[in-house]
Amino acid sequence: GQNIDQPTEMTATEGAIVQINCTYQTSGFNGLFWYQQHAGEAPTFLSYNVLDGLEEKGRFSSFLSRSKGYSYLLLKELQMKDSASYLCAVRGQTGANNLFFGTGTRLTVIP
Amino acid sequence: DAGVIQSPRHEVTEMGQEVTLRCKPISGHNSLFWYRQTMMRGLELLIYFNNNVPIDDSGMPEDRFSAKMPNASFSTLKIQPSEPRDSAVYFCAGRGGNHNEQFFGPGTRLTVL
Repeated sequence: GQNIDQPTEMTATEGAIVQINCTYQTSGFNGLFWYQQHAGEAPTFLSYNVLDGLEEKGRFSSFLSRSKGYSYLLLKELQMKDSASYLCAVRGQTGANNLFFGTGTRLTVIP
Repeated sequence: DAGVIQSPRHEVTEMGQEVTLRCKPISGHNSLFWYRQTMMRGLELLIYFNNNVPIDDSGMPEDRFSAKMPNASFSTLKIQPSEPRDSAVYFCAGRGGNHNEQFFGPGTRLTVL
């Protein structure tokens, strides 16, 4: 089966740094995605990791360790608009089209 | 590009009624996915198509749910008869981009009374 775990909720202060963790156990691995979803809106793609290491994209970075089945999303210089749910998703097999999503981490940024 | 288009955006219906949700993916995206999202269960894959062919429908909850993709630019998800527990947001997504990531439509918020 597929199991993806994320914390349910987190709170952080505007201007700070926050790290959202994701652990996964899947039958096969061919990439990990992070999506952002604001309340009442659709998920939007943030980042992709398939090899171990850190991928940086502006204020957002994502890290992957395949041996540990672990990823994190790092958000720097938090802004109020970063308040949203962050979904971790794993593509299980090479050539597979479908993703397995975690239940998401709801981040609240406070002044 | 208009992105993924879904209709209706909101649907309120009574138990027992038929509901049809519609999706138009981004042109050139050959895989299409239907998801259901609730607070309790998060985002669940219902079914996906590759080149208009259903590949995996193991997530479809029961026979009341059916999906079709008659051509590359249109798909429907039908619930007949609908039940209150079907109330959720239903998303359609296509696959494309540099990492074959999924692009989601705005969703249909379904309420079954």
